[in-house]
Amino acid sequence: DTGVSQDPRHKITKRGQNVTFRCDPISEHNRLYWYRQTLGQGPEFLTYFQNEAQLEKSRLLSDRFSAERPKGSFSTLEIQRTEQGDSAMYLCASSLVSRQAFFGQGTRLTVV
Amino acid sequence: AQTVTQSQPEMSVQEAETVTLSCTYDTSESDYYLFWYKQPPSRQMILVIRQEAYKQQNATENRFSVNFQKAAKSFSLKISDSQLGDAAMYFCAYREGYALNFGKGTSLLVTP
Repeated sequence: DTGVSQDPRHKITKRGQNVTFRCDPISEHNRLYWYRQTLGQGPEFLTYFQNEAQLEKSRLLSDRFSAERPKGSFSTLEIQRTEQGDSAMYLCASSLVSRQAFFGQGTRLTVV
Repeated sequence: AQTVTQSQPEMSVQEAETVTLSCTYDTSESDYYLFWYKQPPSRQMILVIRQEAYKQQNATENRFSVNFQKAAKSFSLKISDSQLGDAAMYFCAYREGYALNFGKGTSLLVTP
């Protein structure tokens, strides 16, 4: 499968714990995006990378959220000190510059 | 911030019939892109159709077509000859630059 891959698919964590999600984009894509989707809403943009550079991060939801793309390939999204309000689907997408974005299946986070 | 409004939370169509999903958006820009994405239950979001704002001709992709009214900032999706596999959430999205801004979605039910 050469699509966007996200791991894990599901994560249940206790409030206050840290979680990290991984995204493997389509191999030749230089842009990678993270979105959050809560129940009954459309995806909400969080951040994006062009190669290894994080070009927009002002829309990350709080300073508990951070993302990396160390070698311009896979990316990780970390949430520190999780709260119940962080429960959502976290979507990753990748694209070539100015081309259509391809989405992964998402990581569903449940904070209990 | 750009906003995308989908006024129909749910729509229903019979197999083989035609259905139109509505979308309006707000922008002060003249050059942008519009998209319709489909999100089946527990599956990844896939692109259905895209429209460049500078193109007057409405985009079509097989059974899917759009009615793009730039002055009215309206971008509706028409699905012809509906099939059971068309059942999904449909999201309208606007892109200016790097981020997609999504509406809240319309849930499409297809009945036999």
